[in-house]
Amino acid sequence: KQEVTQIPAALSVPEGENLVLNCSFTDSAIYNLQWFRQDPGKGLTSLLLIQSSQREQTSGRLNASLDKSSGRSTLYIAASQPGDSATYLCAVTGTYKYIFGTGTRLKVLA
Amino acid sequence: KAGVTQTPRYLIKTRGQQVTLSCSPISGHRSVSWYQQTPGQGLQFLFEYFSETQRNKGNFPGRFSGRQFSNSRSEMNVSTLELGDSALYLCASSPGGQGAKYEQYFGPGTRLTVT
Repeated sequence: KQEVTQIPAALSVPEGENLVLNCSFTDSAIYNLQWFRQDPGKGLTSLLLIQSSQREQTSGRLNASLDKSSGRSTLYIAASQPGDSATYLCAVTGTYKYIFGTGTRLKVLA
Repeated sequence: KAGVTQTPRYLIKTRGQQVTLSCSPISGHRSVSWYQQTPGQGLQFLFEYFSETQRNKGNFPGRFSGRQFSNSRSEMNVSTLELGDSALYLCASSPGGQGAKYEQYFGPGTRLTVT
């Protein structure tokens, strides 16, 4: 059974800091891994999708990496801003549908 | 393209009632998935429909059901509501095809409160 874990559960950093969010999964047989952002009470906004054959994806200040063999992904956020404050979720897909991690709640202090 | 839309956005129901939620996917997308999000359990997969057929199902009781129409719009029904069904229900659409290879796009969700 696939299990997805995200560490840390919560993170508070000063504005401008670079930070890394972690996602680990137990079954390496995945199609892809997707990172999402969720603002309080809202739906999910897709940030980055990494297919199983890829090692990383970049979008602006965000960079996500994938290491299937070790069952890990990281989301790197450069020069964090207060507007980055949200919950970040990773999700993996395999022969089952998306399995989500529990999320990391990020607060960037001005 | 318009995004995924869900109606209604907020709903208050009483225990024992039933409820129907609606999801309109992105134009051209044939797969619609439903998820339940609660503070205690996080985001959990309910089911997925592709071309009007349920293709995958999560571990939820039979009170949770769904369907998909020929235009890919989907509805989710919950019968005999329980307090524990209070949650944010999210719908996601994707182009579909084989497996779960495609990026999913989420709607804003329907907030269901059961009293």
